[in-house]
Amino acid sequence: DAGVIQSPRHEVTEMGQEVTLRCKPISGHDYLFWYRQTMMRGLELLIYFNNNVPIDDSGMPEDRFSAKMPNASFSTLKIQPSEPRDSAVYFCASSFPRDRTNTEAFFGQGTRLTVV
Amino acid sequence: AQKITQTQPGMFVQEKEAVTLDCTYDTSDPSYGLFWYKQPSSGEMIFLIYQGSYDQQNATEGRYSLNFQKARKSANLVISASQLGDSAMYFCAMREGPMNYGGSQGNLIFGKGTKLSVKP
Repeated sequence: DAGVIQSPRHEVTEMGQEVTLRCKPISGHDYLFWYRQTMMRGLELLIYFNNNVPIDDSGMPEDRFSAKMPNASFSTLKIQPSEPRDSAVYFCASSFPRDRTNTEAFFGQGTRLTVV
Repeated sequence: AQKITQTQPGMFVQEKEAVTLDCTYDTSDPSYGLFWYKQPSSGEMIFLIYQGSYDQQNATEGRYSLNFQKARKSANLVISASQLGDSAMYFCAMREGPMNYGGSQGNLIFGKGTKLSVKP
């Protein structure tokens, strides 16, 4: 398996523009997580899905952020309009419930977003 | 309140020596899992080791072991025989509750991390 695939790897955009980050989870995984990493705040959980349904979006910073998972193999995180403070590395991760107990999440390579 | 606390922003260790990275957690759920991840300078997140709240023995994976003290709510990572390639950020994480299909649990919360530097 190729692992969790994120695109693009790097994105530079101007303030006010719409940004869409994409994620393809590992096949068979039914949990998908979006995280944001910054020096100041560390790794923050933004939202996670189970079987394509958003379970907890309490970490989404504000209405400018939205996430969707239209099917089991694809998710997007959209920022509209983007602001310089959104600059961060955004990680997507997926996991599956093994034996109905806790299991690790597998991370993508991340998307480094810079908003100028 | 923070769920995961890593009190050591940075640590130094001499090559070939052992090092312990601290992690304390806060939960009232009797069922939870604890994880350690490594993030080298290249940026990827690498899973290292897992400990379940009901596991009787401390987890071990090669040179990594987890010193799990449930009553103290601590889950320290021990790296034996440090190597230069161990220099990285290390994150402790916790998931509360079993991951049942369709359940509301399942979120994975991370600490702030510890930067480990291995000296030759």
